[in-house]
Amino acid sequence: NAGVTQTPKFRVLKTGQSMTLLCAQDMNHEYMYWYRQDPGMGLRLIHYSVGEGTTAKGEVPDGYNVSRLKKQNFLLGLESAAPSQTSVYFCASSRTQAGGFTDTQYFGPGTRLTVL
Amino acid sequence: AQKITQTQPGMFVQEKEAVTLDCTYDTSDQSYGLFWYKQPSSGEMIFLIYQGSYDEQNATEGRYSLNFQKARKSANLVISASQLGDSAMYFCAMREPSGVSSGSARQLTFGSGTQLTVLP
Repeated sequence: NAGVTQTPKFRVLKTGQSMTLLCAQDMNHEYMYWYRQDPGMGLRLIHYSVGEGTTAKGEVPDGYNVSRLKKQNFLLGLESAAPSQTSVYFCASSRTQAGGFTDTQYFGPGTRLTVL
Repeated sequence: AQKITQTQPGMFVQEKEAVTLDCTYDTSDQSYGLFWYKQPSSGEMIFLIYQGSYDEQNATEGRYSLNFQKARKSANLVISASQLGDSAMYFCAMREPSGVSSGSARQLTFGSGTQLTVLP
């Protein structure tokens, strides 16, 4: 049982280049999330998805796009990378639980992205 | 205003002693959830413990317990009998109901973390 996996683990981009981060989960979770973590800060939500084919903006969505074509995968795209997007990116997933707050988010190992 | 405040950027504790990591939160909702995550130097985020706002008893998970004081809006993490492997960054997080739509994800809001170092 792999849980949440992320590809790649590390990446270096030049300003203006594009790339896609892949998140995959094998827990049949409905909800998936992309966060970024900057030094000295907690995680901030970029985009999220409440189910296959749906996506929504989080706290810091600018410069990113996402897609959820399959339930188990959640893609994060950077169309034109900027140095401000240098960060560690975490994907997470959780199951739904109507009316409750106990649906724990399980995180992937992170992707360290550097934009030069 | 910050929703989650962790006032201790760094903490030291002697091995086998207990340590308390502080977390205060700000919300106007009656229903919410509080979480603690551990992030070791390897970088992954590990779920530790959860406390619901309506839970009357403090949550416990092995050596972890959550000292929940609702009136003070605090949710401190207590680690008993610290081990060297407990050295890590610890994040407090809160989930609130979202007013945007019923389909929203009730996102987690994280604090800035506390770096715990366990001394041998």
